[in-house]
Amino acid sequence: NAGVMQNPRHLVRRRGQEARLRCSPMKGHSHVYWYRQLPEEGLKFMVYLQKENIIDESGMPKERFSAEFPKEGPSILRIQQVVRGDSAAYFCASSLSVPPQGHYGYTFGSGTRLTVV
Amino acid sequence: GENVEQHPSTLSVQEGDSAVIKCTYSDSASNYFPWYKQELGKRPQLIIDIRSNVGEKKDQRIAVTLNKTAKHFSLHITETQPEDSAVYFCAAYGQNFVFGPGTRLSVLP
Repeated sequence: NAGVMQNPRHLVRRRGQEARLRCSPMKGHSHVYWYRQLPEEGLKFMVYLQKENIIDESGMPKERFSAEFPKEGPSILRIQQVVRGDSAAYFCASSLSVPPQGHYGYTFGSGTRLTVV
Repeated sequence: GENVEQHPSTLSVQEGDSAVIKCTYSDSASNYFPWYKQELGKRPQLIIDIRSNVGEKKDQRIAVTLNKTAKHFSLHITETQPEDSAVYFCAAYGQNFVFGPGTRLSVLP
């Protein structure tokens, strides 16, 4: 099992461009979560998705940010018209069950480090 | 919504000593409490977790205690080693995960 795969690992975008971050959950996991981590800070919940559905997007900024988890393919976090304040590490996690339990219940990917220049 | 506080924000201990990190949560409906370790530039990794029907859980040098009445839970690391140096996050799960702000643990040789 390859675990939760995120790509790219590093992404540099100029202000105003779009950033697309991809997350492939662990095999068999249908619950995906996105978190943002600013330097020297904790993990901030952004959005929780199941296949084709957004379950909870209470942590997602209302503008410029969107997420999807299509029936086929990875989950995508999309940031339009990026600004310097979007620079952060974005982590994806997946789980088999709700709530996640046990050692493999909630696994993080390696993250995408977005730098906006 | 859920709010998780974590203390201390930084902790330095001598190798071989114990380290204790404490978290409080606000939502009495939260029922699952994992702890994650994040080394510099790496992903958070689950190190131990506890469910609300258990008061204590131990795994080698790591233990977690939960007091549901007081809504707090703690991570205990005994016989600390330099490789324990990392940022540790607690989390509480009710409707979704809410993480504490983290504790930077430094184990001094």
